[in-house]
Amino acid sequence: GDSVTQMEGPVTLSEEAFLTINCTYTATGYPSLFWYVQYPGEGLQLLLKATKADDKGSNKGFEATYRKETTSFHLEKGSVQVSDSAVYFCALSGYGGSQGNLIFGKGTKLSVKP
Amino acid sequence: GAGVSQTPSNKVTEKGKYVELRCDPISGHTALYWYRQSLGQGPEFLIYFQGTGAADDSGLPNDRFFAVRPEGSVSTLKIQRTERGDSAVYLCASSLVAGAFNEQFFGPGTRLTVL
Repeated sequence: GDSVTQMEGPVTLSEEAFLTINCTYTATGYPSLFWYVQYPGEGLQLLLKATKADDKGSNKGFEATYRKETTSFHLEKGSVQVSDSAVYFCALSGYGGSQGNLIFGKGTKLSVKP
Repeated sequence: GAGVSQTPSNKVTEKGKYVELRCDPISGHTALYWYRQSLGQGPEFLIYFQGTGAADDSGLPNDRFFAVRPEGSVSTLKIQRTERGDSAVYLCASSLVAGAFNEQFFGPGTRLTVL
């Protein structure tokens, strides 16, 4: 079945460092891909998404490109801030988009130190 | 307007008891999803509704779990004969309509602890 694998955490970075969180997926057809973020004490919220190959999703300085050839959707940010400390989840939604139920990775906890 | 709300925020129960978890979606959202998140894991899909009907319940782990959405708005997840392995955070999400292109808005979750 469909699945998502993302890099294990926790990841600890200094402010202004470059961030990459790797995410690869297994799916039939052409899934949509998402990054969700969970800030401390808050609910899950959508960070960015891409719905077809070579699409780049971007938001709040984060970006990720849907790479069909490598089945990847790595999250990047050029300069992280303390406020980016959170748990990040990569997710996919299956073929055709008719259902929309999300399949999540295990999450990667990011801590940014001043 | 208000986001997705879930009640209670915390529920502690004893093994074998029955529990109900409630979800109030965003007004006007026709699709509603339930997920379960165990410690250190990502959310796992349980069931989703489009309107009043359960369109896909393939994620429900067994027949002790059941969910309803009788009027197409509020939904209740029901767990019978709870087991310690049911302990998790239960998340609800809603979207305008079902489909991968429609953002799902998540509630804060209900933390269920089965003693």
